[in-house]
Amino acid sequence: AQSVTQLGSHVSVSEGALVLLRCNYSSSVPPYLFWYVQYPNQGLQLLLKYTSAATLVKGINGFEAEFKKSETSFHLTKPSAHMSDAAEYFCAVSTANFGNEKLTFGTGTRLTIIP
Amino acid sequence: DAGVTQSPTHLIKTRGQQVTLRCSPKSGHDTVSWYQQALGQGPQFIFQYYEEEERQRGNFPDRFSGHQFPNYSSELNVNALLLGDSALYLCASRAGGSGYTFGSGTRLTVV
Repeated sequence: AQSVTQLGSHVSVSEGALVLLRCNYSSSVPPYLFWYVQYPNQGLQLLLKYTSAATLVKGINGFEAEFKKSETSFHLTKPSAHMSDAAEYFCAVSTANFGNEKLTFGTGTRLTIIP
Repeated sequence: DAGVTQSPTHLIKTRGQQVTLRCSPKSGHDTVSWYQQALGQGPQFIFQYYEEEERQRGNFPDRFSGHQFPNYSSELNVNALLLGDSALYLCASRAGGSGYTFGSGTRLTVV
């Protein structure tokens, strides 16, 4: 079974400051890890994914995440926050195992950008 | 290239009624999954369809059922609606080892 814990349901940062959203996972098999963003009244947009290749993953809109097996973490970062980054962010885990590819999501982190 | 299309976008139903939600996957995608996202929560996996068969199911009662058609489109049916079924229902599609592409969802309100 897999699970994800997102630390901090709400994060506020100033425009131009570093964004750090935390995600820890639990998985009995090698995981695939994802970050999704959700804007109000919209579906989920994939930011980036880790699928056992490079541990530092670069995504869209300047976001990146680093897979750290020893810490079971997959934190999302962006060097400089922009007002348009304000949204809900979800970390998710799945596996490559046939028949067990469902995404298990965390409870989300709402990111607020302070002008 | 159209992404994942869901219909309707909004729906209001009365407790005890039945509802059908529809999903057209992204072109080239053959696997469809459905998720329920309650207000303020992360999406919860309902089930996944591939080759017109339910391949994996989450912890949802039998009131939730689905179908996949030969053109890979899918339906989610919910019977005997409860107030707690009010949520955003998301459809996601994929092909092979690609990542999931999500639709914008159907907002279901049960009154």
